[in-house]
Amino acid sequence: EVQLVESGGGLVQPGGSLRLSCAASGFTFSSNWMHWVRQGPGKGLEWVSRISNDGSATYYADSVKGRITISRDNAKNTVHLQMNSLRVEDTAIYYCAREGGRGYPLDYWGQGTLVTVSS
Amino acid sequence: DIQMTQSPSSLSASVGDRVTITCRASQSIKTYLSWYQQKPGKAPKLLIYAASSLQSGVPSRFSGSGSGTDFTLTITNIQPEDFASYYCQQSYGVLYGFGQGTKLEIK
Repeated sequence: EVQLVESGGGLVQPGGSLRLSCAASGFTFSSNWMHWVRQGPGKGLEWVSRISNDGSATYYADSVKGRITISRDNAKNTVHLQMNSLRVEDTAIYYCAREGGRGYPLDYWGQGTLVTVSS
Repeated sequence: DIQMTQSPSSLSASVGDRVTITCRASQSIKTYLSWYQQKPGKAPKLLIYAASSLQSGVPSRFSGSGSGTDFTLTITNIQPEDFASYYCQQSYGVLYGFGQGTKLEIK
């Protein structure tokens, strides 16, 4: 059974940093691209970032580019999201998702971890 | 970047109704279009991929169609568990993107 479990969320002040992690199990982790998607309170889904299966390629939404870094450790089946210079508008539930299947949909999602940026 | 425009933002329906949600891309995305369902407090769930392929385990009352820039999600014979929010998402560009979402409410 595919499982994705996020951790690392919490309360941080504006300008602060946070590192999110997503532990994967139930599939060959090194075969799949991985994504982070976020959802602000009462808002829709916003795609944040993706990383290739071997970690050599990374892409970011314009809203987070330069402040967020995605990485992965295929030996530990984990993907990370390092978030710096956090803003109030970064407050959201952050979901980890697996890219899989024809057409490259996000076929499995974690339960999410809440990041709150507030003074 | 590819922009996704979804409509309507909300709609009301009764159990047994048929509804259609539309999604338009700012440029051709061929059939690199997925649909997701999200219930309050839960993670999104993949319903349709490659514009018209039904994800395993998803009821056949859900269907998708379209290619290029215009896509639709149709739900026939709506069931109580279908009242939720729905999102389209493109995977054609290196930067993914979602539509704004459609909230399906009980009439």
